[in-house]
Amino acid sequence: DQQVKQNSPSLSVQEGRISILNCDYTNSMFDYFLWYKKYPAEGPTFLISISSIKDKNEDGRFTVFLNKSAKHLSLHIVPSQPGDSAVYFCAASGGTYKYIFGTGTRLKVLA
Amino acid sequence: SQTIHQWPATLVQPVGSPLSLECTVEGTSNPNLYWYRQAAGRGLQLLFYSVGIGQISSEVPQNLSASRPQDRQFILSSKKLLLSDSGFYLCASPSLAGANVLTFGAGSRLTVL
Repeated sequence: DQQVKQNSPSLSVQEGRISILNCDYTNSMFDYFLWYKKYPAEGPTFLISISSIKDKNEDGRFTVFLNKSAKHLSLHIVPSQPGDSAVYFCAASGGTYKYIFGTGTRLKVLA
Repeated sequence: SQTIHQWPATLVQPVGSPLSLECTVEGTSNPNLYWYRQAAGRGLQLLFYSVGIGQISSEVPQNLSASRPQDRQFILSSKKLLLSDSGFYLCASPSLAGANVLTFGAGSRLTVL
């Protein structure tokens, strides 16, 4: 049972444009959501998070939106840069010590 | 600051051989510790987590086991590896900067032949 889903395995975007990565979850107990960026052969690095009491959190070029009623969150990267090319994972936690990750979306930013 | 060490970084093992991957955490005490695996096309799968010495919770039935012999040490083991155990294994712990954020080690790449 995949509680956190990233339905787009890959995404290509032109440099300077907006990248939108999507994530859906099924467990209504989740109350904290995170986005991570991962390069090959490295551990994931934390990007941005959002609590369920908010619907938006912004940090520089990165903005995360949360729609609790739809159980959906998205990460917006504006403007996209070639260095943003990586695999992006969303993750969720709530009520337990566990962090559940999605399957990842590979973003390629074209110069 | 907190640092997570993993070794070995790369490992190639034959089917049926044993496995031991080690994770140690510096800069914090009594952390929650996690083992994740990234297999091809499978995302990051939670394998085990531990909230203290000797306390292990297993998330998926599998050929692997975990142990926490010391406060800041987390070991992933197998008695007999399967081909399907190949993957990138990641140790993680909550960040000192924010308990809701996991910090990951650099990972251990396991190839079972």
